[in-house]
Amino acid sequence: GQQVQQSPSSLVLQEGENAELQCNFSSTATQLQWFYQSPGGSLVSLLSNPSGTKHTGRLTSTTVTKERRSSLHISSSQTTDSGTYLCASGTGGYKVVFGSGTRLLVSP
Amino acid sequence: GPKVLQIPSHQIIDMGQMVTLNCDPVSNHLYFYWYKQILGQQMEFLVNFYNGKVMEKSKLFKDQFSVERPDGSYFTLKIQPTALEDSAVYFCASSLLGRGGQYFGPGTRLTVL
Repeated sequence: GQQVQQSPSSLVLQEGENAELQCNFSSTATQLQWFYQSPGGSLVSLLSNPSGTKHTGRLTSTTVTKERRSSLHISSSQTTDSGTYLCASGTGGYKVVFGSGTRLLVSP
Repeated sequence: GPKVLQIPSHQIIDMGQMVTLNCDPVSNHLYFYWYKQILGQQMEFLVNFYNGKVMEKSKLFKDQFSVERPDGSYFTLKIQPTALEDSAVYFCASSLLGRGGQYFGPGTRLTVL
């Protein structure tokens, strides 16, 4: 079945720096979502981007479907960006498969 | 944006008891999902439900688990009887299309003692 690998597993930044998170998946994805999971555990959908480039606020996601990879760029990071970023991929079935996440810590 | 609500946020029960987790999906969504996340581990798919039926389920969806959405009300996950290994955060999600973006609720933290 679909496998999702995220890198790096953790990332430490100074406030104001940019972050680049990677997601690689084993099969061509028809669904690709990025989520933010807060330290308390709640899940927020950031972007749904199965192909191409999408922007929202300080976030930019680029998915290259045929290369089975997606990236999430966070510009001008803030301390409130700290948490875990999850990539989830679906291959046309009903479920999505989650990666293990990138733990981001932004220090002031 | 659209919100999925989950009730309760926390539930503590004794092993062997029954528990029902409730999900209020986005109002016009047709597909409903449950995912399970054990503390510190990966989020994993449990089940997908559409038009009154389970469409797909994983190996984690044990015989003790059941889902339903009676009369368009809450989408529920029932575990009967519960086991220690059922302790986890359970996330509900819904989508308009079967292969569209899923909206997730905040999760219900279940602790089985």
